[in-house]
Amino acid sequence: EIVLTQSPGTLSLSPGERATLSCRASQTVSGSFLAWYQQKPGQAPRLLIYGASTRATTGIPDRFSASGSGTDFTLTISRLEPEDFAVYYCQQHSTSPVTFGQGTRLDIK
Amino acid sequence: QVQLQESGPGLVKPSGTLSLTCVVSGGSISNSNWWSWVRQPPGKGLEWIGGIYHSGSTNYNPSLDSRVTISLDKSKNQFSLKLTSVTAADTAIYYCARGSERAFDFWGQGTLVTVSS
Repeated sequence: EIVLTQSPGTLSLSPGERATLSCRASQTVSGSFLAWYQQKPGQAPRLLIYGASTRATTGIPDRFSASGSGTDFTLTISRLEPEDFAVYYCQQHSTSPVTFGQGTRLDIK
Repeated sequence: QVQLQESGPGLVKPSGTLSLTCVVSGGSISNSNWWSWVRQPPGKGLEWIGGIYHSGSTNYNPSLDSRVTISLDKSKNQFSLKLTSVTAADTAIYYCARGSERAFDFWGQGTLVTVSS
């Protein structure tokens, strides 16, 4: 199975700052079938990015961007808003079983 | 807008069977998507349990394969999860989700299942 390792585990930043989250795969994620989710307490995960770099819906602000291919992927939040502080997960669905990273918690500093 | 809603018992006894149903509204379960179950132990990360395609073919996480059955009921526009021989380690929030080339784009709100006597 493809193991996804996210770093850092916790990121403490202030509103307005830039956040860079990393997701590294143990094997190539083919077809860029790499997604990013945001999860807030008591809520289901919300799809932010699919295909490694495509924002999921028009409702996803353009401050969220993502890039990467192969084994290295990045989610960037250009200017943090208060509502962005949450846990972020990467996920691959190119190879069974579907796997998730362990998550990066984005905390308010 | 597609919506998913999980239902089922919130408490299951050890060695028993966990059974959940996910009702899909706002779209047909027979469309070219696949339908999955994902779980999250309290305070921990996400684990994919398995999924079923609109054709009825299934794909399970090998870590749970021997205990999992996912089925489709097109007449009721719903799909179901059965997990046998449960232990306390199966205590989690269970989510149903729609899968596509866009990953899991729609999720249910989740339902907490506790395994305890």
